[in-house]
Amino acid sequence: SAVISQKPSRDICQRGTSLTIQCQVDSQVTMMFWYRQQPGQSLTLIATANQGSEATYESGFVIDKFPISRPNLTFSTLTVSNMSPEDSSIYLCSVDTQGNTGELFFGEGSRLTVL
Amino acid sequence: GQQLNQSPQSMFIQEGEDVSMNCTSSSIFNTWLWYKQDPGEGPVLLIALYKAGELTSNGRLTAQFGITRKDSFLNISASIPSDVGIYFCAGRSNSGGSNYKLTFGKGTLLTVNP
Repeated sequence: SAVISQKPSRDICQRGTSLTIQCQVDSQVTMMFWYRQQPGQSLTLIATANQGSEATYESGFVIDKFPISRPNLTFSTLTVSNMSPEDSSIYLCSVDTQGNTGELFFGEGSRLTVL
Repeated sequence: GQQLNQSPQSMFIQEGEDVSMNCTSSSIFNTWLWYKQDPGEGPVLLIALYKAGELTSNGRLTAQFGITRKDSFLNISASIPSDVGIYFCAGRSNSGGSNYKLTFGKGTLLTVNP
């Protein structure tokens, strides 16, 4: 398992602004993943973040809107840019500590509300 | 893309009752996982399944990986109030670029009446 800390845990943002979410893991991990969970919905993968390379984005998500950094093996950030009310969601960081088993461990999430 | 059909969408049961929920897919998965999400928290892994036909228990929870590799179920026996939450199934195939990608079901909201 892993201890995954996300900041902020929640925030209320104004339309047009950007917010950066931080994810800190208590152990070194190769793969980190960013998910979005819209209100009352399931989890949708935004992108996979590998240390030392560009993030890989899923269909429907682009780097200009969701830039990601992965400076080392224990930390990543996701920025939600030029926010609109449709971006109101929970954003979740997750890791696979067992080495590609598919057993993801999740942070507590960052709940964003965009006015 | 791959989709998972999870049912039921919600359940209201009495404490002590058994619960069953399932997920089906039109495509094959090599891994099935079940997660629980409490309000304000991230999902927590309950059970992971890696082989077709595999039956695995975790306390009062039992999950099975379907023989066809296109379905899985989760049973909860003798439910208690703390079982309340949203349960998600997730599947993963090992094909090409989606090697690391989990596909999640829409979730089952479980309410347990004391």
